Order: sequence, then C-alpha cells, then structure tokens
Amino acid sequence: KAGVTQTPRYLIKTRGQQVTLSCSPISGHRSVSWYQQTPGQGLQFLFEYFSETQRNKGNFPGRFSGRQFSNSRSEMNVSTLELGDSALYLCASSLASDSPLHFGNGTRLTVT
Amino acid sequence: AQSVTQLGSHVSVSEGALVLLRCNYSSSVPPYLFWYVQYPNQGLQLLLKYTSAATLVKGINGFEAEFKKSETSFHLTKPSAHMSDAAEYFCAVTQSGAGSYQLTFGKGTKLSVIP
Repeated sequence: KAGVTQTPRYLIKTRGQQVTLSCSPISGHRSVSWYQQTPGQGLQFLFEYFSETQRNKGNFPGRFSGRQFSNSRSEMNVSTLELGDSALYLCASSLASDSPLHFGNGTRLTVT
Repeated sequence: AQSVTQLGSHVSVSEGALVLLRCNYSSSVPPYLFWYVQYPNQGLQLLLKYTSAATLVKGINGFEAEFKKSETSFHLTKPSAHMSDAAEYFCAVTQSGAGSYQLTFGKGTKLSVIP
C-alpha cells in the first residue's frame, strides 16, 4: 500500500508570494492533518480535515488555509509568505479517529 | 490543555548500550501517547502507541515504553543501541476519545550512537 505522498518535496519562494502544498493520503484514510516543523518551535499542528470538513485548527494566522477534496486528497495554502514560514510541512493521514497518524516525507519550504 | 516535555535535546550512547529517552506529559483527561522517530529528510514514523491497554507497550525495532500514570511519564527504552537507531525521537500526546486527531509533540531528542 502506498504511503502518504507530499508534493513537491522542496519549494523556494520569495516574501509576499503564495504557495500551495499537496498531500495524497493512504488509500482509505479519510482524515488528513498538517503540521509545521521548525527548529525553533518544533512540530506544531496546523489543521485537520475529515470528509472535506475542517474539524480542528491550530493557532496559526489566517494566511494558512487548507482544504480536502472528495477523494481525501488535501492541499494547504500559505498566502503573503513571510521569512518565518520557512519550515518543513508534514502531512499525515489516519484511518479514523483514535487511529495512529501516518506521515509523509514533507515539503520543505524556503522563503527568501 | 496538554503538553509534553522531553528531557534532553541530545542523548549519546555507545553501540550496545541501553537507550533511555525521557518523556513526561500533562493532560487533563486520559491520554493517548506516542513515540515517533524521524530520520534526516524524512517524515515521522510511528514507533509505538499507548491507548489505555497494557502499560508496557512494545514497538518496532526493539523499542518499548512504559506508561506510568503516577509519574505522568512515558519513557522510551531499548536494551541495546544500534548505529541505525541514530535519529530524532518525538513523544506526542492526544486526548483519548476526542474525535479529532490533534497531536501535541515534545521538542524532540536527537539520539547519537557512538561506535
């Protein structure tokens, strides 16, 4: 069974631009979560989607948004990029509530 | 609110020695607890999970962890370290029965294995 797939693996953007990251969950998984990983703040929860509905959202500004499609694939968007948005963005999927998260290899975003 | 504290951002052990990575949690409700491992340029891989069944949990690659409610701890151990265990390890907590998966992670412990 294929794992969680995130594209692209690497991105370089300039301040003020926007970016869209993509995540394909494990087949059959309906929950998709996003996390931001930085050296300073560690791993922080962004949001979680289940059946196209956002169920939970972390403490991030409105520039960070996401969505989930009917096939469970998910995208997250960051608008008006700032230098501090440079991070590894990890997507994880799970079969159901209380099932373990399976993580992708992440998208490394660099903002210059 | 819930939180996780991992004692020691860096731990070094000799190959063949005991690995002990410490994790203490804070949760107002019965927690689910996890240990994940991250290798360079990769995502997180689940090592083991505690979900209120047996307090001693066995995971992959010879790792295990013991849930101690009285100490609010969930330390990760492995009897004999291998070079391939060098990685960063994260302890995480979530609320049981929350209906939504939101993990709170510790800051991580980087494990070095000395040959």
